[in-house]
Formats: sequence, C-alpha cells, structure tokens
Amino acid sequence: DQQVKQNSPSLSVQEGRISILNCDYTNSMFDYFLWYKKYPAEGPTFLISISSIKDKNEDGRFTVFLNKSAKHLSLHIVPSQPGDSAVYFCAASPSSGTYKYIFGTGTRLKVLA
Amino acid sequence: DAGVIQSPRHEVTEMGQEVTLRCKPISGHNSLFWYRQTMMRGLELLIYFNNNVPIDDSGMPEDRFSAKMPNASFSTLKIQPSEPRDSAVYFCASSLAGTADTQYFGPGTRLTVL
Repeated sequence: DQQVKQNSPSLSVQEGRISILNCDYTNSMFDYFLWYKKYPAEGPTFLISISSIKDKNEDGRFTVFLNKSAKHLSLHIVPSQPGDSAVYFCAASPSSGTYKYIFGTGTRLKVLA
Repeated sequence: DAGVIQSPRHEVTEMGQEVTLRCKPISGHNSLFWYRQTMMRGLELLIYFNNNVPIDDSGMPEDRFSAKMPNASFSTLKIQPSEPRDSAVYFCASSLAGTADTQYFGPGTRLTVL
C-alpha cells in the first residue's frame, strides 16, 4: 500500500502562472517531508523540505505547505518557468536527519511557453 | 567534481541473465544508496552503505538482488537471475552526511529485462 501518494501523474501550466503539485500521506508518524525535482536522463535533486512544526517553508519561487490534519502537502511554484518542467517527487519520514524516506510516484510538470 | 557516475546508462537483457550495475560515488562521500524507480512504486530505497558497510538492506526485494561496496569509490548492484519485473531505472546516490536531503544522485541505469 502506497503510504505517500501523488495522485496527479501529470500537470500542464502556462509560463508565469502558479503550479501546484499535491502530495497525500497516510502515516500520521511522518514528521519531515522533502520535495525532489528530476529532469530527464538525470537523477533527482533535492528541492525543499518542511518539518511538521511548520506549515509553510519558502525558498525563492518555491513554497511548500503542510496540512497535518489533512495529511496533505503541496508545492507551489510561482511564477512557473519552462525550466521548471520536470518530474517532482515528494517524500516523507518519521524524523529529520535520516536517510530513510518513503517516496511518492512523482508528478510530471510541463510549463508551456 | 564529476558527480556520481553510473554504468551502464542503459541495459537490455533477457530473462534469466545476470545483470551488474555499477556506481562510483562522489569522492569523500561516506554514504552510498541504491534506489529503484518504477511508475507504480516511485523511488524505493534498496540498500544503504556507510563507510563501505551495508547498514540497511531491508529494501532489497529478494535474494536475487545483491549489492557490494568493496571500497570507498565503487559499488555494484547485481541481479541474478533477472526477471521482467526487475525492469526499472536504478539510481545510485552518495552523501557526506548520510541524510536524504544531502544525497547526490547519479543519472541512473535504465534496465529492461525481456
């Protein structure tokens, strides 16, 4: 059973608009969450993280929101750029500072110029 | 820095054959990870090495899979015998701190088992 779910396999957004990528999890023990970005023919790269003690973390154009009661997090990209076109994975763990995360299946974002 | 190097980049083999995937981590990194990516299950951690010692192999799917790290600059993931359901992209990652948010991933090996 998938403990971390990214229910939208793909998303298309116009350049300059907001991209919202969603992630749901089932395990209430998860306390630390990561987002990774992956370009074709490359490995994933770490993008942004959030701890359960926060409900928002921002890094430039990227903001992650966490709703613990709903077991839901989302990644917002504003404004979206063509270079943001990639697959985005969310991942969750019961604690920070660990190597062991449960990953979702990814959402492919396409930003249209 | 060359980053994490994986070879081969693509591998096509027939069911029952032995497959060996190779990884060279970033120099100085003491943690190494092997992952498998599939459409259905996303990224799954297979095994974690620290200072060349396997620390956690709970993600290795079955006895057909084995991994070694004979020295700090080389690791292999072997599948013997291979099966069509092993078809996936296999990633190697290395890290200095051993945490998921400090990992550097290689480009992956796309394995197809016919």
